[in-house]
Amino acid sequence: AQTVTQSQPEMSVQEAETVTLSCTYDTSESNYYLFWYKQPPSRQMILVIRQEAYKQQNATENRFSVNFQKAAKSFSLKISDSQLGDTAMYFCAFPSNAGGTSYGKLTFGQGTILTVHP
Amino acid sequence: KAGVTQTPRYLIKTRGQQVTLSCSPISGHRSVSWYQQTPGQGLQFLFEYFSETQRNKGNFPGRFSGRQFSNSRSEMNVSTLELGDSALYLCASSFAGGRDEKLFFGSGTQLSVL
Repeated sequence: AQTVTQSQPEMSVQEAETVTLSCTYDTSESNYYLFWYKQPPSRQMILVIRQEAYKQQNATENRFSVNFQKAAKSFSLKISDSQLGDTAMYFCAFPSNAGGTSYGKLTFGQGTILTVHP
Repeated sequence: KAGVTQTPRYLIKTRGQQVTLSCSPISGHRSVSWYQQTPGQGLQFLFEYFSETQRNKGNFPGRFSGRQFSNSRSEMNVSTLELGDSALYLCASSFAGGRDEKLFFGSGTQLSVL
């Protein structure tokens, strides 16, 4: 079974600084995708970034980038130039088929609460 | 395009009752999945529906059930409520539930069982 581990329950950063959130996972699959979602106080989960495992290049989306190390099964999220609106809970997620017929199941890490201070 | 809509936003029930939660996916999306979020257990997958068929199921007791209608709207039902069922229930939709697809989430239904 796939597992996803986020070892940092809480992180804080000053506005405009850079912060890195860690995530490790375990899978026997060779071709897969990984996601980072954020959940602000409004509770609505929003996709931050997606990485395809067979791609060597790390994904980037504006101020968000990942450091994907397939051999180490590590998938960290870097947020540059942090903004107050980045305050949220961040989840690393891995889609799996749970023995079913699709990949509609996401396995989430425990989450990291990120607070950006002015 | 309207987002994923979950109703109601808040619900208070007592032990032993049953509850039905509703989710309307984004227009054109045929995959709907449900998650339970609690402070202790985090986010846990309940089930996924596609074209009115359950394709995936998580490790929850049979008291948790769901269904999907022909317009892709989905409902989940919890019977014989227990205190431990208090949680935020999130619904998510995607076009087909593929492994590379982004999920669009609703704002959730906060269920409190007294």
